[in-house]
Amino acid sequence: ETGVTQTPRHLVMGMTNKKSLKCEQHLGHNAMYWYKQSAKKPLELMFVYSLEERVENNSVPSRFSPECPNSSHLFLHLHTLQPEDSALYLCASSQGGQETQYFGPGTRLLVL
Amino acid sequence: AQKVTQAQTEISVVEKEDVTLDCVYETRDTTYYLFWYKQPPSGELVFLIRRNSFDEQNEISGRYSWNFQKSTSSFNFTITASQVVDSAVYFCALSEGYSTLTFGKGTMLLVSP
Repeated sequence: ETGVTQTPRHLVMGMTNKKSLKCEQHLGHNAMYWYKQSAKKPLELMFVYSLEERVENNSVPSRFSPECPNSSHLFLHLHTLQPEDSALYLCASSQGGQETQYFGPGTRLLVL
Repeated sequence: AQKVTQAQTEISVVEKEDVTLDCVYETRDTTYYLFWYKQPPSGELVFLIRRNSFDEQNEISGRYSWNFQKSTSSFNFTITASQVVDSAVYFCALSEGYSTLTFGKGTMLLVSP
């Protein structure tokens, strides 16, 4: 595998389900990011991890819980989501905060 | 505060036409970075270019070219002889200091055969 991978690519879940999104980067980077992309809205930064420490949390509801066990892996744990949380969730990584971010293919999430 | 404006929401062209995507940014910092990303229908954001604020040289890569003008705070992207495979949403983004990226709302480009 090369670059940034995300699984699953598609996810349908009910409002009471618990699921997790996974991101893995094979670029040797030390920073990882979660973004949300809703229809007709700009990309919204959700969380930033640098050297496995969370450095930014942009007022994201607690029903989204990130986890970064090491510099190559990033998870987004989901529970009790709302239909308005349906979106494309993108993961990215970079070598430091100023460097280019490389994105994964995203997970298309539908909450019923 | 950072801000990126892509005033063109959607552009439609016919194959082989040239097309320019506009990007205007706002920043108070003297050191910053500008980016362009391409998002095809598959969803993945593909990195195209990164430019720092001290380098105003225009860049050309194949059919792609970028025009950076600090005087007008613009970083425009031109595709020459467009092709159907160029159809995508294109995002301009700004990074200021050690902050994270601020994206524009994107321009959807549709290239028809």
